[in-house]
Formats: sequence, C-alpha cells, structure tokens
Amino acid sequence: SQQGEEDPQALSIQEGENATMNCSYKTSINNLQWYRQNSGRGLVHLILIRSNEREKHSGRLRVTLDTSKKSSSLLITASRAADTASYFCATELYKLSFGAGTTVTVRA
Amino acid sequence: KAGVTQTPRYLIKTRGQQVTLSCSPISGHRSVSWYQQTPGQGLQFLFEYFSETQRNKGNFPGRFSGRQFSNSRSEMNVSTLELGDSALYLCASSAGTSGGQGDTQYFGPGTRLTVL
Repeated sequence: SQQGEEDPQALSIQEGENATMNCSYKTSINNLQWYRQNSGRGLVHLILIRSNEREKHSGRLRVTLDTSKKSSSLLITASRAADTASYFCATELYKLSFGAGTTVTVRA
Repeated sequence: KAGVTQTPRYLIKTRGQQVTLSCSPISGHRSVSWYQQTPGQGLQFLFEYFSETQRNKGNFPGRFSGRQFSNSRSEMNVSTLELGDSALYLCASSAGTSGGQGDTQYFGPGTRLTVL
C-alpha cells in the first residue's frame, strides 16, 4: 500500500511557468523526500525535508512540509522542457513509502 | 564515483520460472534496498539489506527473497514467477548509517522483468 498521495496526477505547463504538486500522507514520518523519474528509468533524489523543518530550497525547487496537516508541496520555478518527468514524494519511517506520482509535462 | 548498476536491464521469463536480479551499489555504500514498480501498485518497498543482514522488509510473499554479499552487492530472487510479477525492479544504495532516517538513496536504472 502507498503512504503518500500526490495531487494532481498529471500537470501540463508552458516552459517558464511554475509547477506545484502536493503530497499528503497518513502516518508519522522521520522525513519526506521528493524524487524525479524520467520515462520509466531509475529515480533521482531531489530534496529531503526533515519532520522538524517547514521549508527547504534547492536551486529552482522549493519544498514545504506541514506535519500537522500531513502534507507537503513541491514547487518548481521557471520550468524547462528537461523538467518533464514523473515526480514522487516518499515518506520515511525506517523505510521509504512512495506515492503514486505526478506526471509533469513542460511544453516548449 | 560510478553509480548504482543493475543487471540484466531486461528479462523475459515464463510463469513458474525463477529469476535472479543483481545490484551493485555505489562504492562505500553498505545499504541496498529493492523496490518493485508497476502501473497499478506504483513503487513498493521489497526489502533492505545492510552489512549482509536484512534490516527491513515490505509486504511481499516469500517467493521474493534477497541477499547481500560482503562487498555490498545484492541479489534479488523471485521464485515461481506469476504474470503479476512483471514490473520494473529498482535497487537503491545508500550509506545506511542513519538507520533509515534520512540517508539519500541513489537508484539504479532498474531491471524490466516481463513474465509471459
């Protein structure tokens, strides 16, 4: 069973626009991580936010975490065609539990 | 550093057969985790090995097993294959020193298994 639920399931945006996706989860966590996957290949770790953190930045990525609402969001600013991929949130409590993912398409 | 490698990349088997998949972690990493990815169930955790011992296990039947060698390389075995075992099998390595509390996982490209 999956711990996280991503919303929306799919997102199509124009290059240069921002993309926001949300993740909700059910149980306590140590940390929450976001990963990217291109066309059924391996996953690439993007960012990790610990349960006692509220916001984290990495380049064009901004992640927020609200443990009271058991939710997180990933914002990609100034999107590029290369950002086209599936994005997964994963909660960790001794093992990673992934959500179903958000498929992002960036149109040139 | 070389990344995580998985062999073979593609595999076709028939129902009832067994299969062994291999994963070589990043040099120095002692933890290897295995995941199954299917369109219906998404990414699901199979098990994690750390220093040759299974440290965590997901909710998969006993047909799925694994092991880790002293050089941290890991193998995953699936016996008596079923059609539903068709999936992308991903392994990930990490330093493993935080005990599953924040180690960055580095994923391999996966092995795509098709069961006919």
